[in-house]
Amino acid sequence: DGGITQSPKYLFRKEGQNVTLSCEQNLNHDAMYWYRQDPGQGLRLIYYSQIVNDFQKGDIAEGYSVSREKKESFPLTVTSAQKNPTAFYLCASSIYDKYEQYFGPGTRLTVT
Amino acid sequence: EDKVVQSPLSLVVHEGDTVTLNCSYEVTNFRSLLWYKQEKKAPTFLFMLTSSGIEKKSGRLSSILDKKELFSILNITATQTGDSAVYLCAAYGQNFVFGPGTRLSVLP
Repeated sequence: DGGITQSPKYLFRKEGQNVTLSCEQNLNHDAMYWYRQDPGQGLRLIYYSQIVNDFQKGDIAEGYSVSREKKESFPLTVTSAQKNPTAFYLCASSIYDKYEQYFGPGTRLTVT
Repeated sequence: EDKVVQSPLSLVVHEGDTVTLNCSYEVTNFRSLLWYKQEKKAPTFLFMLTSSGIEKKSGRLSSILDKKELFSILNITATQTGDSAVYLCAAYGQNFVFGPGTRLSVLP
């Protein structure tokens, strides 16, 4: 079965700790994305990658970091520098950057 | 700054009603407009529109794009309780820009 997986579904962390969210796809898609969704708001782009070993900042990249060492994987690290990290994080991929995106099930991060 | 606006933000209807959801956009180098349905977690793709005036249909759902007036509508006819979801609109220019979504509730 092809698709995008994210893990874990729920994550709880103490303030000041870095945390890494996993995103894996077996769709052979070139482009991958990370979004953040807050209640009542649309998706906001954190980072995106169009090719292995290359990625660009989105609209709200501060306090986040990513890597793209393999085509299938695009992990997101939420660092202690992110002022308000509690949110729902969605990973997506597309064949190329202009085509429709397929989303993973999301990770809900709670930082206390 | 690129932006996408959706209206209404929330809508409650009864089964069998027809609804129209609106999406307007201001995006640099606009290339396409996409609609997604988000029920619980992952948004699922509905339509991608690139040409003005051409309606896309899938069952009871249809959508059309007006590139001159910079908006799109999503129509759902004969609504069912299973249509209850948040409907997201996204415009692709230099990157994808999402609107806040319209929360549709269909009552039996």
